[in-house]
Amino acid sequence: QKEVEQNSGPLSVPEGAIASLNCTYSDRGSQSFFWYRQYSGKSPELIMFIYSNGDKEDGRFTAQLNKASQYVSLLIRDSQPSDSATYLCAAPGGGFGAGTRLTVKP
Amino acid sequence: NAGVTQTPKFQVLKTGQSMTLQCAQDMNHNSMYWYRQDPGMGLRLIYYSASEGTTDKGEVPNGYNVSRLNKREFSLRLESAAPSQTSVYFCASSALAGGLADTQYFGPGTRLTVL
Repeated sequence: QKEVEQNSGPLSVPEGAIASLNCTYSDRGSQSFFWYRQYSGKSPELIMFIYSNGDKEDGRFTAQLNKASQYVSLLIRDSQPSDSATYLCAAPGGGFGAGTRLTVKP
Repeated sequence: NAGVTQTPKFQVLKTGQSMTLQCAQDMNHNSMYWYRQDPGMGLRLIYYSASEGTTDKGEVPNGYNVSRLNKREFSLRLESAAPSQTSVYFCASSALAGGLADTQYFGPGTRLTVL
């Protein structure tokens, strides 16, 4: 079993909606988490990392970490068609989740 | 500043042929990685190098070898290619020594087909 699990989706939301992406992890010792975005045919790029419980906001993106429940989520507010991509969750030493494909429909 | 570069971008091999995928980074990073990505499987770590002169197996090392040639370069070799190695291969690097603990920067990928 992978240490990092994601619902592989796909997830489809209308433009302007909030997209919610979730990830669970098995290693209680994990201290930080990364969210990468990967456009079709391209390589992954970091969009956010979070290392403390609670929320971290960066523009339209909010990462949430709940260590007690061992999950981390990414919220995308006011979703745009340009947000359509696969989102990968990663934990140091725990590898990458399988990714969730997000489609934002105009 | 090119970041992480990979060659070649595309390659077609016949079963049993060998080849080396090249990767170089110009960010003075200490750790480097090789991943493969298959549909529905996400990124799977093949090998990584936590510092110059060291290499370690990842999740799926069988059928591959690596060489950390110097701090900049990390190559991946397929000695006898098999159809199961058809995949997209990504090289990545990160600043800290020790590997796997910080932000990774990815190359553009190599799309390999083994017939």
